[in-house]
Amino acid sequence: DSGVTQTPKHLITATGQRVTLRCSPRSGDLSVYWYQQSLDQGLQFLIQYYNGEERAKGNILERFSAQQFPDLHSELNLSSLELGDSALYFCASSVGRTTGDTIYFGEGSWLTVV
Amino acid sequence: AQSVTQLGSHVSVSEGALVLLRCNYSSSVPPYLFWYVQYPNQGLQLLLKYTSAATLVKGINGFEAEFKKSETSFHLTKPSAHMSDAAEYFCAVTHTGGFKTIFGAGTRLFVKA
Repeated sequence: DSGVTQTPKHLITATGQRVTLRCSPRSGDLSVYWYQQSLDQGLQFLIQYYNGEERAKGNILERFSAQQFPDLHSELNLSSLELGDSALYFCASSVGRTTGDTIYFGEGSWLTVV
Repeated sequence: AQSVTQLGSHVSVSEGALVLLRCNYSSSVPPYLFWYVQYPNQGLQLLLKYTSAATLVKGINGFEAEFKKSETSFHLTKPSAHMSDAAEYFCAVTHTGGFKTIFGAGTRLFVKA
């Protein structure tokens, strides 16, 4: 158990809909990351927050947004969903913002868009 | 910009044989390098990391990796494969001063009895 908690574990929704994925980082971790894992794209970095502020942005679509709240939990919002958005979405956390920090991954949220 | 290339999307070894998973990186500044493992239906977990200390890094479950700057490589090895090592392995790189950790495409390790 990494200490990173993600909900829901599984989600099935229709095209055009909007979903929110939730993440609680490990206790004491200030950085939260979101990754998307799919068969064709592999593991893609989406976005990172540090202590409530956006720190780095990766291949995140404009239809997607994220935020980190004062209690450090984070949400990833996916809107206007398309079939290709079906993937495993990981949240991860680390202590600080230094790049040598170990990143701890949650077990992921499986999103299926039908 | 940094990048990671993992050679071989699938590697198959016999139980007891040497495991060698290859990773080459590209980074214009000194990198931090990581190997993560993903077991079925689980998240990624850290095997080991290189952060500019010893070039030979020992990790969990008997794995180790050697940082070779001249070859820009960080290959993962284990002397003797076990059935429980069957998983997907990801090499990752971050450079000092950067914030994004970039993952390779992954190598799925199969272990035959």
